[in-house]
Amino acid sequence: NAGVTQTPKFQVLKTGQSMTLQCAQDMNHEYMSWYRQDPGMGLRLIHYSVGAGITDQGEVPNGYNVSRSTTEDFPLRLLSAAPSQTSVYFCASSLRTVGSAEAFFGQGTRLTVV
Amino acid sequence: KQEVTQIPAALSVPEGENLVLNCSFTDSAIYNLQWFRQDPGKGLTSLLLIQSSQREQTSGRLNASLDKSSGRSTLYIAASQPGDSATYLCAVSLVSNTGKLIFGQGTTLQVKP
Repeated sequence: NAGVTQTPKFQVLKTGQSMTLQCAQDMNHEYMSWYRQDPGMGLRLIHYSVGAGITDQGEVPNGYNVSRSTTEDFPLRLLSAAPSQTSVYFCASSLRTVGSAEAFFGQGTRLTVV
Repeated sequence: KQEVTQIPAALSVPEGENLVLNCSFTDSAIYNLQWFRQDPGKGLTSLLLIQSSQREQTSGRLNASLDKSSGRSTLYIAASQPGDSATYLCAVSLVSNTGKLIFGQGTTLQVKP
């Protein structure tokens, strides 16, 4: 069972570069979301999706774009990387069904912007 | 705005001790509450999920309780072991159930042999 798969695990970018963090789940979950984790700040929601074709902003969306063309994939795009985006990024997914809304997380992508 | 607080931020106990981790939230209108474990440099592993209509959930040596009216949840770990050393996070899902989670800052637990 693959669960939630994130790639890459590590990435170093130069300021101004763009890149896409990949997230895929094989559990047919409707809900998917992206969080960033920073020391002293905890996990904060960047963007989320309640189904294919539907996305919305979370708490810290600036500098990031998302799209959800399929149920399985939810990529996060950094448009022009900044040092403030140095963080660990987590993708999560969960079912929409009442009583089965347990969230599953990927192993994270550790991003450094220099 | 929903806020989640975890106390204490860090805890060190000798092996074998029973312990309680605390989580409080400001708005009782939650869909569910979930406890996670995070090992250093790793992702989050779900431990227990409590629906808003439930009072507690148990898994092995772990027991989580939920008191919505007072905005509190506790994670009880029985007979702690060095392998329990990790950061424990609680998160609430809003009543609209969009899959959005609001996290506490976590409690870092060290169990000494």
